[in-house]
Amino acid sequence: GAGVSQSPSNKVTEKGKDVELRCDPISGHTALYWYRQSLGQGLEFLIYFQGNSAPDKSGLPSDRFSAERTGGSVSTLTIQRTQQEDSAVYLCASSYRGGTPSTDTQYFGPGTRLTVL
Amino acid sequence: RKEVEQDPGPFNVPEGATVAFNCTYSNSASQSFFWYRQDCRKEPKLLMSVYSSGNEDGRFTAQLNRASQYISLLIRDSKLSDSATYLCVVNTLSGGYNKLIFGAGTRLAVHP
Repeated sequence: GAGVSQSPSNKVTEKGKDVELRCDPISGHTALYWYRQSLGQGLEFLIYFQGNSAPDKSGLPSDRFSAERTGGSVSTLTIQRTQQEDSAVYLCASSYRGGTPSTDTQYFGPGTRLTVL
Repeated sequence: RKEVEQDPGPFNVPEGATVAFNCTYSNSASQSFFWYRQDCRKEPKLLMSVYSSGNEDGRFTAQLNRASQYISLLIRDSKLSDSATYLCVVNTLSGGYNKLIFGAGTRLAVHP
Protein backbone atom coordinates (compact mmCIF):
# COMPACT_ATOMS: atom_id res chain seq x y z
CA GLY A 1 0.00 0.00 0.00
CA ALA A 2 0.95 3.64 -0.23
CA GLY A 3 3.29 5.03 2.37
CA VAL A 4 3.43 8.50 3.89
CA SER A 5 3.72 11.13 1.21
CA GLN A 6 4.86 14.72 1.52
CA SER A 7 4.80 17.66 -0.79
CA PRO A 8 6.61 19.51 -2.08
CA SER A 9 9.81 17.49 -1.97
CA ASN A 10 11.86 20.66 -2.20
CA LYS A 11 10.92 24.25 -1.44
CA VAL A 12 13.09 27.32 -1.89
CA THR A 13 11.68 30.54 -0.53
CA GLU A 14 12.78 34.02 0.36
CA LYS A 15 13.15 35.20 3.91
CA GLY A 16 9.89 36.63 5.20
CA LYS A 17 7.60 34.57 2.98
CA ASP A 18 5.08 32.04 4.30
CA VAL A 19 5.29 28.37 3.33
CA GLU A 20 2.93 25.42 3.60
CA LEU A 21 4.12 21.85 3.77
CA ARG A 22 1.74 18.96 3.27
CA CYS A 23 1.66 15.45 4.67
CA ASP A 24 -0.59 12.56 3.62
CA PRO A 25 -0.35 9.82 6.25
CA ILE A 26 -0.92 6.14 5.69
CA SER A 27 -4.64 5.46 5.43
CA GLY A 28 -6.07 4.37 8.77
CA HIS A 29 -3.22 5.74 10.85
CA THR A 30 -4.60 7.84 13.70
CA ALA A 31 -1.37 9.45 14.83
CA LEU A 32 0.62 11.98 12.82
CA TYR A 33 3.89 13.64 13.75
CA TRP A 34 5.99 16.45 12.36
CA TYR A 35 9.74 16.61 12.89
CA ARG A 36 12.50 18.87 11.68
CA GLN A 37 16.04 17.76 10.86
CA SER A 38 18.76 20.28 10.28
CA LEU A 39 21.90 19.29 8.39
CA GLY A 40 23.89 16.76 10.38
CA GLN A 41 21.52 16.95 13.32
CA GLY A 42 19.00 14.60 14.90
CA LEU A 43 15.26 14.81 14.54
CA GLU A 44 13.56 17.61 16.44
CA PHE A 45 9.95 16.92 17.44
CA LEU A 46 7.54 19.66 16.39
CA ILE A 47 3.93 18.56 16.84
CA TYR A 48 1.83 15.42 17.27
CA PHE A 49 -1.80 14.73 16.37
CA GLN A 50 -3.66 11.76 17.84
CA GLY A 51 -7.19 11.15 16.64
CA ASN A 52 -9.54 13.91 17.77
CA SER A 53 -7.47 14.86 20.81
CA ALA A 54 -5.86 18.24 21.21
CA PRO A 55 -2.45 18.14 19.50
CA ASP A 56 0.80 18.18 21.41
CA LYS A 57 2.36 21.42 20.20
CA SER A 58 5.17 21.45 22.72
CA GLY A 59 7.89 21.16 20.09
CA LEU A 60 6.92 24.10 17.91
CA PRO A 61 9.90 26.50 18.10
CA SER A 62 7.94 29.75 17.78
CA ASP A 63 4.49 31.14 17.08
CA ARG A 64 5.47 31.42 13.43
CA PHE A 65 4.93 27.66 13.22
CA SER A 66 1.47 26.11 13.16
CA ALA A 67 -0.07 22.90 11.94
CA GLU A 68 -3.49 21.50 11.37
CA ARG A 69 -4.90 18.15 10.51
CA THR A 70 -8.16 18.18 8.62
CA GLY A 71 -10.59 15.30 8.85
CA GLY A 72 -8.11 13.24 10.80
CA SER A 73 -6.03 12.66 7.71
CA VAL A 74 -3.99 15.21 5.74
CA SER A 75 -1.88 17.63 7.73
CA THR A 76 -0.41 21.00 6.78
CA LEU A 77 2.55 22.60 8.54
CA THR A 78 2.67 26.35 8.02
CA ILE A 79 5.68 28.53 8.67
CA GLN A 80 5.01 32.25 8.59
CA ARG A 81 7.62 34.92 7.91
CA THR A 82 10.31 32.32 7.25
CA GLN A 83 13.82 32.88 8.56
CA GLN A 84 17.09 31.37 7.35
CA GLU A 85 17.32 29.23 10.47
CA ASP A 86 14.10 27.51 9.38
CA SER A 87 16.05 25.81 6.58
CA ALA A 88 15.88 22.08 7.26
CA VAL A 89 14.22 18.88 6.17
CA TYR A 90 10.70 18.64 7.54
CA LEU A 91 9.65 15.05 8.09
CA CYS A 92 6.17 13.74 8.70
CA ALA A 93 5.43 10.34 10.23
CA SER A 94 2.30 8.41 10.99
CA SER A 95 1.51 5.44 13.16
CA TYR A 96 -1.51 3.23 13.69
CA ARG A 97 -2.27 4.16 17.25
CA GLY A 98 0.37 6.32 18.86
CA GLY A 99 -0.62 7.71 22.25
CA THR A 100 0.10 4.50 24.13
CA PRO A 101 3.30 3.16 25.64
CA SER A 102 3.45 0.57 22.90
CA THR A 103 5.84 -0.34 20.22
CA ASP A 104 3.86 1.34 17.45
CA THR A 105 6.08 1.89 14.48
CA GLN A 106 6.30 5.34 13.01
CA TYR A 107 6.48 5.38 9.23
CA PHE A 108 8.19 8.40 7.82
CA GLY A 109 7.56 10.27 4.62
CA PRO A 110 10.46 11.31 2.37
CA GLY A 111 10.47 14.82 3.80
CA THR A 112 10.34 18.34 2.41
CA ARG A 113 13.69 20.07 2.07
CA LEU A 114 13.11 23.75 2.85
CA THR A 115 15.69 26.33 1.94
CA VAL A 116 15.17 29.92 3.05
CA LEU A 117 17.35 32.37 1.16
CA ARG B 1 21.88 17.38 29.05
CA LYS B 2 20.20 15.88 25.97
CA GLU B 3 17.38 13.45 26.62
CA VAL B 4 18.95 10.84 24.35
CA GLU B 5 22.70 10.83 23.81
CA GLN B 6 24.73 8.93 21.26
CA ASP B 7 28.33 8.96 20.12
CA PRO B 8 28.12 10.66 16.70
CA GLY B 9 30.98 8.59 15.27
CA PRO B 10 31.80 8.00 12.52
CA PHE B 11 32.63 4.38 13.09
CA ASN B 12 34.77 3.23 10.17
CA VAL B 13 34.95 -0.58 10.07
CA PRO B 14 35.94 -3.20 7.50
CA GLU B 15 33.45 -5.64 6.08
CA GLY B 16 32.93 -8.57 8.40
CA ALA B 17 33.70 -6.61 11.56
CA THR B 18 31.53 -6.51 14.64
CA VAL B 19 30.56 -3.04 15.81
CA ALA B 20 28.59 -1.83 18.81
CA PHE B 21 26.76 1.44 19.40
CA ASN B 22 25.65 2.77 22.74
CA CYS B 23 22.97 5.19 23.76
CA THR B 24 21.94 6.69 27.08
CA TYR B 25 18.64 8.32 28.00
CA SER B 26 17.86 10.67 30.84
CA ASN B 27 14.19 10.03 31.63
CA SER B 28 13.82 7.00 33.88
CA ALA B 29 10.10 6.91 33.06
CA SER B 30 10.81 6.10 29.42
CA GLN B 31 8.74 3.16 28.35
CA SER B 32 9.86 1.77 25.03
CA PHE B 33 12.97 1.91 22.96
CA PHE B 34 13.94 1.53 19.34
CA TRP B 35 16.76 1.68 16.85
CA TYR B 36 16.05 3.42 13.56
CA ARG B 37 18.29 3.51 10.55
CA GLN B 38 18.66 6.56 8.32
CA ASP B 39 20.45 6.47 4.99
CA CYS B 40 21.99 9.62 3.59
CA ARG B 41 19.28 12.09 2.53
CA LYS B 42 16.56 9.54 3.25
CA GLU B 43 13.90 9.25 5.92
CA PRO B 44 14.43 7.16 9.08
CA LYS B 45 13.16 3.59 9.06
CA LEU B 46 12.59 1.29 12.01
CA LEU B 47 15.40 -1.22 12.40
CA MET B 48 14.23 -2.94 15.56
CA SER B 49 12.51 -2.45 18.87
CA VAL B 50 14.51 -3.01 22.04
CA TYR B 51 13.16 -5.22 24.81
CA SER B 52 14.36 -5.63 28.38
CA SER B 53 15.29 -9.23 27.75
CA GLY B 54 17.38 -8.26 24.74
CA ASN B 55 16.45 -9.25 21.24
CA GLU B 56 18.15 -10.40 18.10
CA ASP B 57 17.26 -10.03 14.43
CA GLY B 58 19.75 -11.77 12.20
CA ARG B 59 23.08 -9.97 12.53
CA PHE B 60 21.61 -7.31 14.80
CA THR B 61 21.30 -7.59 18.59
CA ALA B 62 19.74 -4.93 20.81
CA GLN B 63 20.06 -4.72 24.59
CA LEU B 64 18.38 -2.53 27.19
CA ASN B 65 19.64 -1.83 30.69
CA ARG B 66 16.94 0.10 32.54
CA ALA B 67 18.96 0.47 35.72
CA SER B 68 21.75 2.24 33.85
CA GLN B 69 19.38 3.85 31.31
CA TYR B 70 21.49 2.47 28.53
CA ILE B 71 20.67 0.89 25.16
CA SER B 72 23.02 -0.86 22.78
CA LEU B 73 23.04 -2.16 19.24
CA LEU B 74 25.49 -4.81 18.07
CA ILE B 75 26.03 -5.51 14.39
CA ARG B 76 27.91 -8.68 13.51
CA ASP B 77 29.55 -9.49 10.17
CA SER B 78 29.15 -5.92 8.89
CA LYS B 79 28.12 -5.46 5.26
CA LEU B 80 28.77 -2.49 3.00
CA SER B 81 25.01 -1.97 2.97
CA ASP B 82 25.02 -1.41 6.73
CA SER B 83 26.61 1.99 6.15
CA ALA B 84 24.09 4.49 7.51
CA THR B 85 23.27 6.58 10.56
CA TYR B 86 21.73 4.65 13.45
CA LEU B 87 19.26 6.57 15.57
CA CYS B 88 18.50 5.61 19.16
CA VAL B 89 14.86 6.42 19.94
CA VAL B 90 13.08 6.54 23.27
CA ASN B 91 9.31 6.69 23.85
CA THR B 92 8.59 8.86 26.86
CA LEU B 93 5.37 9.95 28.48
CA SER B 94 5.51 13.72 28.71
CA GLY B 95 2.67 16.09 29.52
CA GLY B 96 0.14 13.35 28.96
CA TYR B 97 1.47 12.50 25.54
CA ASN B 98 3.70 9.70 24.40
CA LYS B 99 6.57 11.20 22.50
CA LEU B 100 9.44 9.67 20.57
CA ILE B 101 12.72 11.37 21.38
CA PHE B 102 15.44 10.78 18.78
CA GLY B 103 19.15 10.78 19.43
CA ALA B 104 21.32 12.66 16.96
CA GLY B 105 22.54 9.35 15.53
CA THR B 106 25.74 7.38 15.18
CA ARG B 107 27.26 7.22 11.74
CA LEU B 108 28.61 3.89 10.51
CA ALA B 109 30.82 3.52 7.43
CA VAL B 110 31.68 -0.04 6.36
CA HIS B 111 34.54 -0.28 3.88
CA PRO B 112 35.77 -3.15 1.70
